[in-house]
Amino acid sequence: LAKTTQPISMDSYEGQEVNITCSHNNIATNDYITWYQQFPSQGPRFIIQGYKTKVTNEVASLFIPADRKSSTLSLPRVSLSDTAVYYCLVGETTSGTYKYIFGTGTRLKVLA
Amino acid sequence: NAGVMQNPRHLVRRRGQEARLRCSPMKGHSHVYWYRQLPEEGLKFMVYLQKENIIDESGMPKERFSAEFPKEGPSILRIQQVVRGDSAAYFCASSPSRDRGHEQYFGPGTRLTVT
Repeated sequence: LAKTTQPISMDSYEGQEVNITCSHNNIATNDYITWYQQFPSQGPRFIIQGYKTKVTNEVASLFIPADRKSSTLSLPRVSLSDTAVYYCLVGETTSGTYKYIFGTGTRLKVLA
Repeated sequence: NAGVMQNPRHLVRRRGQEARLRCSPMKGHSHVYWYRQLPEEGLKFMVYLQKENIIDESGMPKERFSAEFPKEGPSILRIQQVVRGDSAAYFCASSPSRDRGHEQYFGPGTRLTVT
């Protein structure tokens, strides 16, 4: 059963780069690593997904080392509106169902 | 470019009543997942459906809960004889196909309050 470990909370200031690292020691060969963002009273919003090496989009970058046992979400120049809970997910595939196992995530608080 | 839609957004039910939660997947998506989120916790998988089929219901409570995804219309999560412990946010997500299950797009959720 794939499981992730990430910091419970982080504080940052506006304009800084924020890196959130996630451990997933038992990741399976066919698992993707996906990060979601969730604001209060809203559904999780997809940020970025990767399988290996580095992925970058307009919102964030995702760094995955060769052994894939961890990953780092990098948010460049955060703003107050980036205050949210960030979930690192790997799927559990049982009988072909790709099930996301959500932990408690990392509560990022961006300060002015 | 409509995303996943859920209604109602808020639902209040008295103990013993039935709750029906609806989810319309993204256009072109035929796979739906339901998750439940208790306060201050992460989402927990409940059930995975394809049109007219329940594929995986391993996260569904054995009693009072059921789900369907008919050929026409939205997916429905039904909770019979609600109890206070059913109060939670219920989210659905959709994906385009089974082998793209890692691409799940979530709706805004339905917040169920049982009084």
